[in-house]
Amino acid sequence: ILNVEQSPQSLHVQEGDSTNFTCSFPSSNFYALHWYRWETAKSPEALFVMTLNGDEKKKGRISATLNTKEGYSYLYIKGSQPEDSATYLCASPSSNTGKLIFGQGTTLQVKP
Amino acid sequence: DAGVTQSPTHLIKTRGQQVTLRCSPKSGHDTVSWYQQALGQGPQFIFQYYEEEERQRGNFPDRFSGHQFPNYSSELNVNALLLGDSALYLCASSLVSLDVGNTEAFFGQGTRLTVV
Repeated sequence: ILNVEQSPQSLHVQEGDSTNFTCSFPSSNFYALHWYRWETAKSPEALFVMTLNGDEKKKGRISATLNTKEGYSYLYIKGSQPEDSATYLCASPSSNTGKLIFGQGTTLQVKP
Repeated sequence: DAGVTQSPTHLIKTRGQQVTLRCSPKSGHDTVSWYQQALGQGPQFIFQYYEEEERQRGNFPDRFSGHQFPNYSSELNVNALLLGDSALYLCASSLVSLDVGNTEAFFGQGTRLTVV
């Protein structure tokens, strides 16, 4: 059974703060790691799909790293803005068929 | 290009009733997956449809069934509704010819089902 865990469950920061969240997953039989951002009343949208140990990906102020040997990924947000407020989900496919195993998410609230 | 669309957006049903939720995949996609998100949890995989057949199934009872149509759209049916079935139901589409584990999934906005 593949268990994906995220921490913290929720986070409140001030505008301009930098923050990071953790996603942990079993390191055996690793296939890929997905990060999604889910804003209220919208669809979850993919941020990154990461596959290689040591992968680092960046999109604007958001970046992510991957360590498949120890089974964790970090998502970083530099200089948080109110529009970054959302739930951030990580997920790992159980195989190449696309069945995603999700963590419980980290809900970020950025105060102006 | 229309993304993944789901209907209805909200639904209230009584215990014991049956419900049907609908999903139209992103244009060009042929595979549809359904997820249930209960309060405080991450989305849980229900099942996946490809070529009008159930390709994979998660740990959900037989009360949960689905269908895929020739145009790749899909339905999720839940019979004998329980209070615990109250959740957000998400649909995700993908293209089977891609290595979908390494490819992002495209999600709809979900259907909020409340069972009273």
